[in-house]
Amino acid sequence: GAVVSQHPSRVICKSGTSVKIECRSLDFQATTMFWYRQFPKQSLMLMATSNEGSKATYEQGVEKDKFLINHASLTLSTLTVTSAHPEDSSFYICSARGSDNQETQYFGPGTRLLVL
Amino acid sequence: AQRVTQPEKLLSVFKGAPVELKCNYSYSGSPELFWYVQYSRQRLQLLLRHISRESIKGFTADLNKGETSFHLKKPFAQEEDSAMYYCALSTDSNYQLIWGAGTKLIIKP
Repeated sequence: GAVVSQHPSRVICKSGTSVKIECRSLDFQATTMFWYRQFPKQSLMLMATSNEGSKATYEQGVEKDKFLINHASLTLSTLTVTSAHPEDSSFYICSARGSDNQETQYFGPGTRLLVL
Repeated sequence: AQRVTQPEKLLSVFKGAPVELKCNYSYSGSPELFWYVQYSRQRLQLLLRHISRESIKGFTADLNKGETSFHLKKPFAQEEDSAMYYCALSTDSNYQLIWGAGTKLIIKP
């Protein structure tokens, strides 16, 4: 099956710094990538949808200047949390959808962010 | 409004007993429905989708448009079925998923 990787798997940073999370589709071309945030014991919250080569579409309430998303190639999307604060601490998960099987999303393993 | 409801946050059954995880949806169009599973310390993965009408790991789910439901069933639960299960609805051309809150399934030995 299709594989999606995320890097790093875990990151701890100081408040005010920026953190970049990478999401890669390893064996397929991802025309669309989704970024989610998962709070403890809660469901996934969609943050934004990014199509390769175009600007990301952010969900209501998600600050696009704080959560910068770049989808420059068909196999890589990045999420940068700028000027991170402790309330940004969370589990960030990406998923990718290929052009051949448009309905199914394949998920990355997630990135645990802790902002001190 | 588009919505997916999983009424049970936690479901605990004994090994060998039947399992049913409930999922109801609200959508005026033609829905595409999925069940995703997340085992402990593993990534979220697709379990099954209604359009393929498959049985994966003994689980089945039938779309009931009259009741707007897509309940997940397994006749005999196994301990390895313990996991978080999410029901999801896909609606638009970008295939964004609308998620249920998830049900934690615990299979007792």
